[in-house]
Amino acid sequence: TQTVSQSDAHVTVFEGDSVELRCNYSYGGSIYLSWYIQHHGHGLQFLLKYYSGNPVVQGVNGFEAEFSKSDSSFHLRKASVHWSDSAVYFCAVSAPSSGQKLVFGQGTILKVYL
Amino acid sequence: VTLLEQNPRWRLVPRGQAVNLRCILKNSQYPWMSWYQQDLQKQLQWLFTLRSPGDKEVKSLPGADYLATRVTDTELRLQVANMSQGRTLYCTCSAERAGANTGQLYFGEGSKLTVL
Repeated sequence: TQTVSQSDAHVTVFEGDSVELRCNYSYGGSIYLSWYIQHHGHGLQFLLKYYSGNPVVQGVNGFEAEFSKSDSSFHLRKASVHWSDSAVYFCAVSAPSSGQKLVFGQGTILKVYL
Repeated sequence: VTLLEQNPRWRLVPRGQAVNLRCILKNSQYPWMSWYQQDLQKQLQWLFTLRSPGDKEVKSLPGADYLATRVTDTELRLQVANMSQGRTLYCTCSAERAGANTGQLYFGEGSKLTVL
């Protein structure tokens, strides 16, 4: 069974700040890790994913995430946030054999102030 | 480019009444269609994945009963019954073959259901 934990329910920063949103997972086998963004009133949008290779993966809009097997983590980062990055961010895990089933974390609400 | 069209986007549902949701796929290159529910605390949960026309599945979860149907290659439906708490239902699609899941899904805009 895969589980995902996003320890921060809310993160607040100012525009131009860097930000890191944390994600920890538990699963014994090979998994895909991904991040999604959800703006208020809309569906989720894919940001990036990791399966193997370079542990730092680049996504859209300047986001990147780093996989750490030792920490069981896949934290999302952005060097300089914009007010439009305010949204809910979800980390997700999926096993290659589990079809289209993703297991999502609880989500982190990011608020960016001007 | 919008891959999925969901309707209705919002619906007030009298307690005890069922509601039918529809999802239309705009690009046949993403044939694996699924339903996810998001509860009022924003927690997301996978419900169904239906690939072929004629596929049907049922599921009962806390707060609602579901019947999903893949009607055609481009249409997925969901009947929601016995709903006790509001929720949003999202249709998703992806290009992966069966058993190959890279974790990249495309989401529709959702159907938000409120219980009266």
